[in-house]
Amino acid sequence: AQSVTQPDIHITVSEGASLELRCNYSYGATPYLFWYVQSPGQGLQLLLKYFSGDTLVQGIKGFEAEFKRSQSSFNLRKPSVHWSDAAEYFCAVWSSASKIIFGSGTRLSIRP
Amino acid sequence: DTAVSQTPKYLVTQMGNDKSIKCEQNLGHDTMYWYKQDSKKFLKIMFSYNNKELIINETVPNRFSPKSPDKAHLNLHINSLELGDSAVYFCASSPDRGYGYTFGSGTRLTVV
Repeated sequence: AQSVTQPDIHITVSEGASLELRCNYSYGATPYLFWYVQSPGQGLQLLLKYFSGDTLVQGIKGFEAEFKRSQSSFNLRKPSVHWSDAAEYFCAVWSSASKIIFGSGTRLSIRP
Repeated sequence: DTAVSQTPKYLVTQMGNDKSIKCEQNLGHDTMYWYKQDSKKFLKIMFSYNNKELIINETVPNRFSPKSPDKAHLNLHINSLELGDSAVYFCASSPDRGYGYTFGSGTRLTVV
């Protein structure tokens, strides 16, 4: 069965520091992968997605993610975080059952 | 001109009551979804409709009944509400597989 694992429940980084959020997926074929962000009290917003082609994808708000088939990973990165990036981040995969399966989320806190 | 709008945003009700949540999308998408987010932020799909046809019906108590009068609307009716139904319910839509979802802002349901 397809699944997504986000090993970090909570990460704290200093403002201006770089960020990497980890995501591992389980999927037999080439996956469709997503990263979503959820700010407190808000819905989920799509940051970026990978379907095929270039394994480094650029998203909104200065985020990027790299697809690594050999490691079954799709980690999210940002070179310099801002206080407004504090939120919950979800990695997700499109499953063969016509639905998106979400990881359990990583809460990002920003240290001033 | 919100893309996916849900009403109400907050819903507080007593155990045993019946309530409905409404969702409308103006994106022209063919597929709509209901997800439940629990207190630990875990997102689980409940239902999916494609052009008014039910295509996903996860293991959900039959007290929950979705209705899609047309492809732009997907409502969720809940009978005999229980304390465990307290959660945030998200509506989402997508044009096709792999495009990712556009989410509504959520309905926070509190059963007392």
